[in-house]
Amino acid sequence: NAGVTQTPKFRILKIGQSMTLQCTQDMNHNYMYWYRQDPGMGLKLIYYSVGAGITDKGEVPNGYNVSRSTTEDFPLRLELAAPSQTSVYFCASSSLGRTGTDTQYFGPGTRLTVL
Amino acid sequence: DAKTTQPPSMDCAEGRAANLPCNHSTISGNEYVYWYRQIHSQGPQYIIHGLKNNETNEMASLIITEDRKSSTLILPHATLRDTAVYYCIVRVPGKNAGNMLTFGGGTRLMVKP
Repeated sequence: NAGVTQTPKFRILKIGQSMTLQCTQDMNHNYMYWYRQDPGMGLKLIYYSVGAGITDKGEVPNGYNVSRSTTEDFPLRLELAAPSQTSVYFCASSSLGRTGTDTQYFGPGTRLTVL
Repeated sequence: DAKTTQPPSMDCAEGRAANLPCNHSTISGNEYVYWYRQIHSQGPQYIIHGLKNNETNEMASLIITEDRKSSTLILPHATLRDTAVYYCIVRVPGKNAGNMLTFGGGTRLMVKP
């Protein structure tokens, strides 16, 4: 299993440009998440999905959009990039285990700079 | 989720056991203790979790006190590759919106040769 994969690894955007961060998982997990991590800070949840066709906002959704057309893929779209969106973006996935606990598995991250 | 308190940093000699403490005095009966770590520039990595019994896996051991108000993550033979920020998270699985994880400050563990 590759686990959670993210592309690209790095990207520089100009203010006002758009881009899509790709995330794919091959563990057949129902839940998928997008977090962002600013330098020296903890992770903040942007959007999440509990299954194909279902998405919802997290703590910091403004400026982003997501879709979940398949179980495997959960792309994050940035429209009109702003310097405040300079961050490292992590995608994660999880499923509820038999004991009711869930473990999240993270991708390697996408480092985005907006100039 | 119950609030957790961890020391901001710790050092450990390579090959020795690293014992990372976490206080969670307001933990409720259905909250689990999870440990994750984040090696520099990488995504967080799950280590271990438990409810009230001690747990062990290939990476670490988790010791939870009888009153469940604190816990200790033990890396039995720390290596340089264990240098990372370690996060103790207390939560009810599935309770938060989207099962999100809330990462506090964590403990920055430095393993030294």
